[in-house]
Amino acid sequence: DAGVIQSPRHEVTEMGQEVTLRCKPISGHDYLFWYRQTMMRGLELLIYFNNNVPIDDSGMPEDRFSAKMPNASFSTLKIQPSEPRDSAVYFCASSRSGTVANYGYTFGSGTRLTVV
Amino acid sequence: AQSVTQLDSHVSVSEGTPVLLRCNYSSSYSPSLFWYVQHPNKGLQLLLKYTSAATLVKGINGFEAEFKKSETSFHLTKPSAHMSDAAEYFCVGATGTASKLTFGTGTRLQVTL
Repeated sequence: DAGVIQSPRHEVTEMGQEVTLRCKPISGHDYLFWYRQTMMRGLELLIYFNNNVPIDDSGMPEDRFSAKMPNASFSTLKIQPSEPRDSAVYFCASSRSGTVANYGYTFGSGTRLTVV
Repeated sequence: AQSVTQLDSHVSVSEGTPVLLRCNYSSSYSPSLFWYVQHPNKGLQLLLKYTSAATLVKGINGFEAEFKKSETSFHLTKPSAHMSDAAEYFCVGATGTASKLTFGTGTRLQVTL
């Protein structure tokens, strides 16, 4: 298994531009999570999906952020327009229902976003 | 509700000396507990897990953790630190049929010569 795959690994963009981060979960996993990590705020859960349906988006910082999961093997996190304070590492993680308590999540390697 | 508290935000040890990273949990139910490690510029990797079997859990790279219900603790230890252990460590909890993990705030381990 290739694990959770995120792309791109690094993204540098100018303020005001749209940014799209991508995630491919592990096959068979029906939960997908998006996290943001910064030095100031640590690891924050932004949103998570179950069977492609958003379950809790209360961590999404504002309307500039949106996330979709059009099918079981792909999810996107979009920021439009981007701002310098969005600079962070964004992680995607996946898990299989009924197994979180036994196996936790599998994380991707993250996307380091820099907005200049 | 469940929560995990990592008691130290930063721990510094000398290479070859023991490591102790502290974690307390609160839960109404028997929890599942995990330690994840994040090396610089890397993702989070599962180090070890407790799921109500043996209370002493062994993980990768010589780390182990002991679940102590009486103390509501799940401290991470290693007998002898190595430079490659320098990383951020997260104590994480889950209960029953929960689909979400609860993360601690992390402990940064520094290993000096």
